[in-house]
Amino acid sequence: DAGITQSPRHKVTETGTPVTLRCHQTENHRYMYWYRQDPGHGLRLIHYSYGVKDTDKGEVSDGYSVSRSKTEDFLLTLESATSSQTSVYFCAIRGETGGYNEQFFGPGTRLTVL
Amino acid sequence: DQQVKQNSPSLSVQEGRISILNCDYTNSMFDYFLWYKKYPAEGPTFLISISSIKDKNEDGRFTVFLNKSAKHLSLHIVPSQPGDSAVYFCAAKGMGAGNMLTFGGGTRLMVKP
Repeated sequence: DAGITQSPRHKVTETGTPVTLRCHQTENHRYMYWYRQDPGHGLRLIHYSYGVKDTDKGEVSDGYSVSRSKTEDFLLTLESATSSQTSVYFCAIRGETGGYNEQFFGPGTRLTVL
Repeated sequence: DQQVKQNSPSLSVQEGRISILNCDYTNSMFDYFLWYKKYPAEGPTFLISISSIKDKNEDGRFTVFLNKSAKHLSLHIVPSQPGDSAVYFCAAKGMGAGNMLTFGGGTRLMVKP
């Protein structure tokens, strides 16, 4: 296991409410990522971080914000959840051996927005 | 427009036979390709990868082939086992900042006993 946990694992919320998902790693890796998985789309990158307080947008960043105040924690926030944000969210860390090419994923958070 | 495509949403194979999963890409700037395996209710697990400077990489029952001129890669599983039944994603890494991966839509492999 890559030492990545995500919380909560499941969440049901209502449209318009704020939601924060947490990713925690024990590997002290520099790069962390948030993806969403939807049928037919594979995984799409939302935001990523390359260090404490250093973040950048991915392919589908609209409606999402992130924060990284500690190396081990990467938070994903939906300021005002919409039904289109119903998805499974995965956090990943970049491997730091070899060519630094692989990413390793957490177990996911299933979010339902009613 | 999807830069990485897996055109077969599902594949069914008999146990002991070869499974071939295919992936096509459009961006010639991708420099590294990866395959992930995903079971239900779990995160994707890294399986095997290949650099763009190679055309084949093998790891036990798993072999990945890369055809750069055709912008095509494939994953071969020989022999297939029922435990291989999962969704397989191919991913490609660009050369830009962030080591970002672009994923295909996935192929569900079912290996029948």
